[in-house]
Amino acid sequence: AQSVAQPEDQVNVAEGNPLTVKCTYSVSGNPYLFWYVQYPNRGLQFLLKYITGDNLVKGSYGFEAEFNKSQTSFHLKKPSALVSDSALYFCAVRDMDTGRRALTFGSGTRLQVQP
Amino acid sequence: DAGVIQSPRHEVTEMGQEVTLRCKPISGHNSLFWYRQTMMRGLELLIYFNNNVPIDDSGMPEDRFSAKMPNASFSTLKIQPSEPRDSAVYFCASSFEGGAYEQYFGPGTRLTVT
Repeated sequence: AQSVAQPEDQVNVAEGNPLTVKCTYSVSGNPYLFWYVQYPNRGLQFLLKYITGDNLVKGSYGFEAEFNKSQTSFHLKKPSALVSDSALYFCAVRDMDTGRRALTFGSGTRLQVQP
Repeated sequence: DAGVIQSPRHEVTEMGQEVTLRCKPISGHNSLFWYRQTMMRGLELLIYFNNNVPIDDSGMPEDRFSAKMPNASFSTLKIQPSEPRDSAVYFCASSFEGGAYEQYFGPGTRLTVT
């Protein structure tokens, strides 16, 4: 079975400071990893993904994430937070070795960026 | 492309009534997913289709829920009869298997059953 853990329900950061939203995963095979963002009353928007290759992946709006196989982590980062980054962030995993196409999502982390 | 389209955006109905949610995936995508989001349970996969064929419906709560995909550009999720505990936001998502793999989500349907 595959699973995702987002240990923080909420992350607070001041505008201009770096931000990190944590994610760890569990799969039996090789993982495909994704980050999504959800603004109020909106659907989830794709931010970035790790499939293979470079462990540091860059995505939309200046976000990046680092895949760490030994720690089974895929933390989301941004060097300088904006107030407009305040939203709900979801990490998701897919086990590419099972053939199952569905994603398993974490419980979400609410990011609050203070001006 | 207009993205994934869902209708209606909001639905309020009385317990016992039939509810039908609709989804139009992104053109060219060959996989379609239905999710449900609630505060208590988060984001749950209900069912997914590949090339219009249901692959995994293990997340469908019970027989009151059914989903169809008659063609590549349309899917429905039906609840009959509806119950107050079905109140949630229902999302449809689509993806292209064999390519990018990421799923693109529609805006969701907020269902309230009174």
